[in-house]
Amino acid sequence: QKEVEQDPGPLSVPEGAIVSLNCTYSNSAFQYFMWYRQYSRKGPELLMYTYSSGNKEDGRFTAQVDKSSKYISLFIRDSQPSDSATYLCAMRDNSGGYQKVTFGTGTKLQVIP
Amino acid sequence: KAGVTQTPRYLIKTRGQQVTLSCSPISGHRSVSWYQQTPGQGLQFLFEYFSETQRNKGNFPGRFSGRQFSNSRSEMNVSTLELGDSALYLCASSLSRAGGLGGEQYFGPGTRLTVT
Repeated sequence: QKEVEQDPGPLSVPEGAIVSLNCTYSNSAFQYFMWYRQYSRKGPELLMYTYSSGNKEDGRFTAQVDKSSKYISLFIRDSQPSDSATYLCAMRDNSGGYQKVTFGTGTKLQVIP
Repeated sequence: KAGVTQTPRYLIKTRGQQVTLSCSPISGHRSVSWYQQTPGQGLQFLFEYFSETQRNKGNFPGRFSGRQFSNSRSEMNVSTLELGDSALYLCASSLSRAGGLGGEQYFGPGTRLTVT
């Protein structure tokens, strides 16, 4: 079983829709949670970073962390064609020396005009 | 502020050869991490360097190695290339240890390595 599971999609939505992207994880030591957006042939771009349970909002993006369920989500409101990309969740634990960042495999999102 | 730069952007090598990739982090960033990205496996962690010391290493064979210089620039070396090493190699820099508090990672555009 992978430490981080992410539905690969592709997810296709009409412009203006609310998008929900999700990741589940098995390592309860994960403390820090990140969402990245990656356009084709580009490096990942950091969208959101949080280290506590609850919601964090930044413009049209909301990151949600539920540590009790080991579940994180990224919501995109009023989705735009420019949001079409692959979205990667990432997380890091703080246990001892094992402090690497683990990524999900990414969800490909297509927003149709 | 300039972003993370990686050179070269594209590289074609033959099996058995070796390759060196370079990464210049954002000014002031002390941590550099390297990742391999393939369609099947996604982003796989290779190693992280912080203040010239390797702090963590992923599950890759010893053919993959790296180093970091005093100016935080980093290089990654792959010896005896195999076909399966074809991938996008990404470098990410952060102010402090990757992913932790103050450790938000910023990625470069990557080096696309093709092994024939």
